[in-house]
Amino acid sequence: AQTVTQSQPEMSVQEAETVTLSCTYDTSESDYYLFWYKQPPSRQMILVIRQEAYKQQNATENRFSVNFQKAAKSFSLKISDSQLGDAAMYFCAYRSPVETSGSRLTFGEGTQLTVNP
Amino acid sequence: DAGVTQSPTHLIKTRGQQVTLRCSPKSGHDTVSWYQQALGQGPQFIFQYYEEEERQRGNFPDRFSGHQFPNYSSELNVNALLLGDSALYLCASSEFSGRDYGNGYTFGSGTRLTVV
Repeated sequence: AQTVTQSQPEMSVQEAETVTLSCTYDTSESDYYLFWYKQPPSRQMILVIRQEAYKQQNATENRFSVNFQKAAKSFSLKISDSQLGDAAMYFCAYRSPVETSGSRLTFGEGTQLTVNP
Repeated sequence: DAGVTQSPTHLIKTRGQQVTLRCSPKSGHDTVSWYQQALGQGPQFIFQYYEEEERQRGNFPDRFSGHQFPNYSSELNVNALLLGDSALYLCASSEFSGRDYGNGYTFGSGTRLTVV
């Protein structure tokens, strides 16, 4: 079974600065998907960024980018120019190809990000 | 375009009772997944429904059951509630797309269940 580990329960960053959230995962599969989700106090899980394992190029969405190291099974999220609205719980998630365990997501424990003005 | 709607938002039940949670998927989505999120933890997959059938199931006991209706909405039922069932229950909808269903997920804001 796949596992996802987020070793930073809490992180803080100054507004306009850059922060990196860490995520490692364990899998024997070669093809899979990785996600970062944001969960604000409203509780709704919001997709931040997604990476397909077969793509070597790191995904980027505006101020959010990932550092995907497949051999090391590492998938970190970098937030540039941090804004107060970025404050939330961030979850790293793994998804196997549909042929194996379908489309279920396996989540890490989360990292609580605080943005200081 | 309505997103995923869950009801109720909060619920308090007594140990041993039964509860039903409801989810309406995003317009155009036909697959519904349920997750349990205990306080301070990441969500755990309960099960997924497509074409009114349970397609996948996580490591949850048979006390947890579900249903999907022809309009794609879904219910999560939990029988014989335990204190440990207290959690946020999240519904996520997605669109079946050939072999790779679940490509994009939209989550609801969840139902906070408290068992006393």
